[in-house]
Amino acid sequence: ELKVEQNPLFLSMQEGKNYTIYCNYSTTSDRLYWYRQDPGKSLESLFVLLSNGAVKQEGRLMASLDTKARLSTLHITAAVHDLSATYFCAVDGDYKLSFGAGTTVTVRA
Amino acid sequence: DVKVTQSSRYLVKRTGEKVFLECVQDMDHENMFWYRQDPGLGLRLIYFSYDVKMKEKGDIPEGYSVSREKKERFSLILESASTNQTSMYLCASSISGTYDAVKFGAGTRLSVL
Repeated sequence: ELKVEQNPLFLSMQEGKNYTIYCNYSTTSDRLYWYRQDPGKSLESLFVLLSNGAVKQEGRLMASLDTKARLSTLHITAAVHDLSATYFCAVDGDYKLSFGAGTTVTVRA
Repeated sequence: DVKVTQSSRYLVKRTGEKVFLECVQDMDHENMFWYRQDPGLGLRLIYFSYDVKMKEKGDIPEGYSVSREKKERFSLILESASTNQTSMYLCASSISGTYDAVKFGAGTRLSVL
């Protein structure tokens, strides 16, 4: 069974500072996804990473994938309040996704 | 833009009731999924389907069944609801043959009393 671990599970960020969320997974996969969930809402796709070394950036968020290390990172640059949400990574194994537990991010002034 | 529509946002049911959660997608996606979301556990796959009348067990199928009679509709059935099935249920769909992100519905928050 594919296991996906995220850390930290909770992250209190100060506005303007940089932070990283880590996603480790247990078996070989070249496909990893990052999602965002706002309270009471569904999941919104952020990034699709499809190969070793893939890097995607959107605004203050940058995601990367190292398939050899079975590790993806979501880097947040100069955090702002709008980034408060829960972030999930998900790994594709046999065309179905296995999710991490999620990282709940709170950005404070 | 694809829409995944779940019939109810909130449901309250009693222990032992048979519960139907309905999901419809409007973009001709082959793949459909049911997940449940619980705090600290992330999303766990209950069942999925790659085609009409086809179903596969996910990681936590016990106590659930599914039905896919039409391509656009995927139903989750709780045969006899129990309190430990109180959760948020998320339906999702994706197109076959690509690695596009799976798209999710808004979710159904089910409370079993």
